Amino acid sequence: ETGVTQSPTHLIKTRGQQVTLRCSSQSGHNTVSWYQQALGQGPQFIFQYYREEENGRGNFPPRFSGLQFPNYSSELNVNALELDDSALYLCASTSTGGNSPLHFGNGTRLTVT
Amino acid sequence: AQSVTQLGSHVSVSEGALVLLRCNYSSSVPPYLFWYVQYPNQGLQLLLKYTTGATLVKGINGFEAEFKKSETSFHLTKPSAHMSDAAEYFCAVTGPRGYNKLIFGAGTRLAVHP
Repeated sequence: ETGVTQSPTHLIKTRGQQVTLRCSSQSGHNTVSWYQQALGQGPQFIFQYYREEENGRGNFPPRFSGLQFPNYSSELNVNALELDDSALYLCASTSTGGNSPLHFGNGTRLTVT
Repeated sequence: AQSVTQLGSHVSVSEGALVLLRCNYSSSVPPYLFWYVQYPNQGLQLLLKYTTGATLVKGINGFEAEFKKSETSFHLTKPSAHMSDAAEYFCAVTGPRGYNKLIFGAGTRLAVHP
């Protein structure tokens, strides 16, 4: 069983640039969520995708956007990067129905300078 | 609004000692509660979860937690700490938008010394 994989593992960008982070969900999972974990804090929910549509969003501005593809993989896009966007971005997948928990990837560490 | 408070950002115990990590929650609906562990440079791994039913929940690596509705608590315990338990631990509750949209606490870093 292949777990959740994220790429790249580390990324350095300049303020104002745009970034795309990628996530492959665990085999059999059709729902993907994205979380932002700032240094020393707990993860914060960004949004969730199910059947290629956004299915819930946290308190993040519109410059945070996402996609889900037919194979259930997902992208997180962030435009007009700000210094405060520096964080670990975690992708998690699950299957809908029942009490299936989230399975997390190892994250992408984004540094904005 | 739902929230999670983890008391103690850092906890230090001796190897073999009891581990107690505290979590209190606030929820306007019956909560689903979770404990996750995060090792350095890794994602989060589910330790255990409470949804309904038995209030004492057993998880992996010898951890367990008890849901106490009257105290709005979900503390994590392990009878005997091992060096490999050193990590960051996060308590989480389901948010208002659904079961898998979690609200996390700020985390507790557990140190285990010989």
